[in-house]
Amino acid sequence: EAGVAQSPRYKIIEKRQSVAFWCNPISGHATLYWYQQILGQGPKLLIQFQNNGVVDDSQLPKDRFSAERLKGVDSTLKIQPAKLEDSAVYLCASSLNVYEQYFGPGTRLTVT
Amino acid sequence: DQQVKQNSPSLSVQEGRISILNCDYTNSMFDYFLWYKKYPAEGPTFLISISSIKDKNEDGRFTVFLNKSAKHLSLHIVPSQPGDSAVYFCAASATGTASKLTFGTGTRLQVTL
Repeated sequence: EAGVAQSPRYKIIEKRQSVAFWCNPISGHATLYWYQQILGQGPKLLIQFQNNGVVDDSQLPKDRFSAERLKGVDSTLKIQPAKLEDSAVYLCASSLNVYEQYFGPGTRLTVT
Repeated sequence: DQQVKQNSPSLSVQEGRISILNCDYTNSMFDYFLWYKKYPAEGPTFLISISSIKDKNEDGRFTVFLNKSAKHLSLHIVPSQPGDSAVYFCAASATGTASKLTFGTGTRLQVTL
């Protein structure tokens, strides 16, 4: 069974630039999550999709972050414009049952 | 507001000995707890979980203990192996929150030879 795929793995941008991350969840997993993990902290949920509907985006900075899930499968997370404090690893996860989430390798974003 | 806390950022244990990783939580609504393991440059992987109706769950070398009155859980690894060296995250969820996980800050375990 293929795992959660994410791209790119690394990205370096300057502040005020835009960036987009892509995630392909495990086949059949209806729930998809985007997390932000800042160095030294645990993952923090940004947004959760159930199929292509948003379940929770309470911690998503909506003035600069946006996310969509195309046809209930792939998802993209965009930051526009980026700030220095957005430097983090962005993790995508998917799940079939309620609690066990499967994570991708993450995208390490550096904003200079 | 850190609802899930892992107060030990790092732990070093000799191979063959027991590793004990601790986690405290403040939200009394949490009723399901998970441990994830993370290797460098990889995403976290699920390790073991426990529901609040239990006080212990065991899976091979890994055992999780839950003390609800103290709002404390611990992960025991016996015996510890060098391959267990990783960052361990405790996570918690509450019924009705659509499987939203709140993670702790992680504990880096180093198993030495």
